[in-house]
Amino acid sequence: GESVGLHLPTLSVQEGDNSIINCAYSNSASDYFIWYKQESGKGPQFIIDIRSNMDKRQGQRVTVLLNKTVKHLSLQIAATQPGDSAVYFCADVSGSARQLTFGSGTQLTVLP
Amino acid sequence: EPEVTQTPSHQVTQMGQEVILRCVPISNHLYFYWYRQILGQKVEFLVSFYNNEISEKSEIFDDQFSVERPDGSNFTLKIRSTKLEDSAMYFCASSEWYSYEQYFGPGTRLTVT
Repeated sequence: GESVGLHLPTLSVQEGDNSIINCAYSNSASDYFIWYKQESGKGPQFIIDIRSNMDKRQGQRVTVLLNKTVKHLSLQIAATQPGDSAVYFCADVSGSARQLTFGSGTQLTVLP
Repeated sequence: EPEVTQTPSHQVTQMGQEVILRCVPISNHLYFYWYRQILGQKVEFLVSFYNNEISEKSEIFDDQFSVERPDGSNFTLKIRSTKLEDSAMYFCASSEWYSYEQYFGPGTRLTVT
């Protein structure tokens, strides 16, 4: 069936370095994607979104890139900080009720 | 900043018992959702609710599950006869009518023994 998945389950980066978290999707009809951050014991928190008619979108310290040709999106975090340590999920929006289909998540660990 | 709240934070119940998980969505939101996350796994969609009725549900949301918006503020998920495999974090989310951005609550950890 259709799914949204991630390439790596864990990622460790040094504080101050840039982080890149990748995600692949299989549904060609997906037209809206969201990155969520989930800290331990908390619910997912919206980070940034992107529509399929865009290739790139920037937020504060975060950038999402979308490559529709290979059905791939990435989340880039600039100058990674300890507070960025969390699990990051990509999700696509589908269905008439706009429900989210989540990928399996990447655990980002920021090393001092 | 407005936020989605959920109660209780942790619920322990015996297999076969009924549980009700409660959520208070953000007040001006019109779309409501329940998701669950089994420990160590991804977040899975259960059901969406709009205009006082279910708009979509997943295969997980079988006859043992039901949702209700009993008043203007609460949104509940009921599991009629819990099974061991229902043990998970249950998240409520809500969104405005014009936005795809869903705001999640802190979750209720359900443990079925």
